[in-house]
Amino acid sequence: AQTVTQSQPEMSVQEAETVTLSCTYDTSESDYYLFWYKQPPSRQMILVIRQEAYKQQNATENRFSVNFQKAAKSFSLKISDSQLGDAAMYFCALYNFNKFYFGSGTKLNVKP
Amino acid sequence: KAGVTQTPRYLIKTRGQQVTLSCSPISGHRSVSWYQQTPGQGLQFLFEYFSETQRNKGNFPGRFSGRQFSNSRSEMNVSTLELGDSALYLCASSATGTALYEQYFGPGTRLTVT
Repeated sequence: AQTVTQSQPEMSVQEAETVTLSCTYDTSESDYYLFWYKQPPSRQMILVIRQEAYKQQNATENRFSVNFQKAAKSFSLKISDSQLGDAAMYFCALYNFNKFYFGSGTKLNVKP
Repeated sequence: KAGVTQTPRYLIKTRGQQVTLSCSPISGHRSVSWYQQTPGQGLQFLFEYFSETQRNKGNFPGRFSGRQFSNSRSEMNVSTLELGDSALYLCASSATGTALYEQYFGPGTRLTVT
């Protein structure tokens, strides 16, 4: 079975600081994709970053980067220089067998 | 390019009724996926349609069904509504229907069943 676990229901970070959101997953496949999605209070889900499992290099998108540990089945998201606009629910997602599996989400609060 | 649109945005129904939700994907996108989002269960995959065919299905009862039209617009139907069906229903479209391309989500339809 494919599962995605986000063990931090809520986190807080001070503006301009760095925060790391955790995600672990389980799959028996070797070829899959991992994503982080952001859902601001307006509810429109937005893709933040994605990682192909066959790539060893960690993905980076501006202030967002991941730490992908394939053997440990871990996929954490690091947000650097946090901004007020980063406040949102963050969902980790696994894609394989043509389906997406989402974690339960981490609510990120950004303090000014 | 216009984003994914969903109608209606809010809906209140009574137990036992049925409901139809609509999703218009981004122009050119042929894949539409539907998700149910609840505080307790998180985001759960309902089904995916590609070129008018259901390509994938999640673990939901047969009361949940969908279809896709030739213009890629999709509808989701829930019959015999239960209180537990109260949720935010999201649809997402993608260009080719594979994970190689990101999914673009709509704002969702908030369904409340009383």
